[in-house]
Amino acid sequence: QVQLQQSGPGLVKPSQTLSLTCAISGDSVSSNSAAWNWIRQSPSRGLEWLGRTYYRSKWYHDYAESVQSRIIINPDTSKNQFSLQLNSVTPEDTAVYYCARVTVTTYYFVDWGQGTLVTVSS
Amino acid sequence: EIVLTQSPATLSLSPGERATLSCRASQSVSNYLAWYQHKPGQAPRLLIYDASKRATDIPARFSGSGSGTDFTLTISSLEPEDFAVYYCQQRTNWPDTFGQGTKLEIK
Repeated sequence: QVQLQQSGPGLVKPSQTLSLTCAISGDSVSSNSAAWNWIRQSPSRGLEWLGRTYYRSKWYHDYAESVQSRIIINPDTSKNQFSLQLNSVTPEDTAVYYCARVTVTTYYFVDWGQGTLVTVSS
Repeated sequence: EIVLTQSPATLSLSPGERATLSCRASQSVSNYLAWYQHKPGQAPRLLIYDASKRATDIPARFSGSGSGTDFTLTISSLEPEDFAVYYCQQRTNWPDTFGQGTKLEIK
């Protein structure tokens, strides 16, 4: 059974960087049959897919256009986890952030982290 | 980007009643549509994928139908634990997008 455990601060100041980590158990971040995603939810935007990383003989990254200029999702194979960095945050980035796994079996978000409420405020 | 429109925004029903939730896509998504249940303080849970396939351990009272642009999630007889927000999601066109949700509340 796959489990995703999120960690990271719940409060970030405007213009600073939001950083979250998702630790994986029961699968490998280097798996050739999974993709590792970040999704957020806010009252104004609903559920919004932010980006993903996945390994298919080499590493790939895809990002939503809405955040493409300021997002980085990185795998960490030594710790079997992946991270989210969102730069230059504003109060509009206040949301609950989730990590989630997609597999080539269903191609949908089957496994999710517990969610982290991140508030952008000074 | 494909826009998914869910209706109604809020549905008020009693336990034991039948719930019918709708999701309409701005263009065809074939059958590449999923439904999620989301309760406060919890992660979303995948209920239905590929429009009509139940995910692992999902009770038979949940069913999905539709193809192309019009989809329906039906809960045949509501249990108290079914009151939550429901989202549809498409994976036909990148990026994956979600509907804005239907809140199923107790009447």
